[in-house]
Amino acid sequence: QQQVKQSPQSLIVQKGGISIINCAYENTAFDYFPWYQQFPGKGPALLIAIRPDVSEKKEGRFTISFNKSAKQFSLHIMDSQPGDSATYFCAARFTNSGYALNFGKGTSLLVTP
Amino acid sequence: ETGVTQSPTHLIKTRGQQVTLRCSSQSGHNTVSWYQQALGQGPQFIFQYYREEENGRGNFPPRFSGLQFPNYSSELNVNALELDDSALYLCASSTDSNYGYTFGSGTRLTVV
Repeated sequence: QQQVKQSPQSLIVQKGGISIINCAYENTAFDYFPWYQQFPGKGPALLIAIRPDVSEKKEGRFTISFNKSAKQFSLHIMDSQPGDSATYFCAARFTNSGYALNFGKGTSLLVTP
Repeated sequence: ETGVTQSPTHLIKTRGQQVTLRCSSQSGHNTVSWYQQALGQGPQFIFQYYREEENGRGNFPPRFSGLQFPNYSSELNVNALELDDSALYLCASSTDSNYGYTFGSGTRLTVV
């Protein structure tokens, strides 16, 4: 079953706007929550990640907000640019299965000029 | 530029055949994982190797097998190919102390 649920499936944002992608997880044993960015024909690239003992992490225009009690985390892309147009995946790591990453189904982001 | 190299980039096989996909990890990355990504989906964990031993496996049948070599390279073997095996196969590597994984660009496998 899908251990990490991601929404929305697709998102269109104007240049300069804020892109927000949400994820929810079920298993409280997850201990690492990364976001990956994937361009067509490429593998996923690590964008930013957070541990459950931190509520927010910011790197440049990218921010993860983490709500442990609600078992939710989100990615905010500030000042979105056309070059940010890609598919974004949230993931969660479950240490009892050899550090496997459990991915969401992805969000296709289009930033219009 | 990714430090993980996969070959070949594209491959077409016939149902029932066997295939071997290859991955070359960054030096010092003693953990390698393989993922299957169907079109429009997130990657699904196949298995992981740590210092040449399998230490985790996802919900994939035994006809999916792998090897990791001392030179940080690895292989994914799939026997008795099925049409549903058509996907992008991704290799990812990491070190002991690095929670993040570096992914290769993948091998696009088409089974006809």
